[in-house]
Amino acid sequence: QKEVEQNSGPLSVPEGAIASLNCTYSDRGSQSFFWYRQYSGKSPELIMFIYSNGDKEDGRFTAQLNKASQYVSLLIRDSQPSDSATYLCAVNLESGGSYIPTFGRGTSLIVHP
Amino acid sequence: DAGITQSPRHKVTETGTPVTLRCHQTENHRYMYWYRQDPGHGLRLIHYSYGVKDTDKGEVSDGYSVSRSKTEDFLLTLESATSSQTSVYFCAISDPGLKTDTQYFGPGTRLTVL
Repeated sequence: QKEVEQNSGPLSVPEGAIASLNCTYSDRGSQSFFWYRQYSGKSPELIMFIYSNGDKEDGRFTAQLNKASQYVSLLIRDSQPSDSATYLCAVNLESGGSYIPTFGRGTSLIVHP
Repeated sequence: DAGITQSPRHKVTETGTPVTLRCHQTENHRYMYWYRQDPGHGLRLIHYSYGVKDTDKGEVSDGYSVSRSKTEDFLLTLESATSSQTSVYFCAISDPGLKTDTQYFGPGTRLTVL
């Protein structure tokens, strides 16, 4: 049973628009949340991590965390065709005393010129 | 880039044969992970290690075993490969003792079982 949920998409946005990617998780005790980007045929790479409620901004990317609603999102401003990729949400879930990353299935983003 | 290599990068094998995939890191990170990635399923954890000779099962561990005799190496073994194990396998590392417990991924191994 998957405990991290993402809409698989594809999410299609025009160049220059804001892309909004969403993720929900089931474990209220989770403390660490990550967004990874994966280009086709490549390995995942970290975009952002967030630990505290609220927003965290890094350039064109903003991660938003709401622990009460068990919801984390990623906003991409001024989307570019090079942002076209699959975005993976990961949440560290407790398992046998360790916190183990659990990934959502990913959301495919297409930015069209 | 984190120093993670995987070998082989591509492998084609036949059903019933044993297969070993290797992950090697130069970062001295404590945790190492093996994932498989299949269309529609995302990344699924097979096994992970939290230290030398310390391993535990993940979500999809059946048919797989692992070993970690040195900090830098984590081996994934398919004792008798089946077609359902055709997949892309990723190794990852992390170190919860650092400021962040971000995972860093290797380049992946594409395994085809005929």
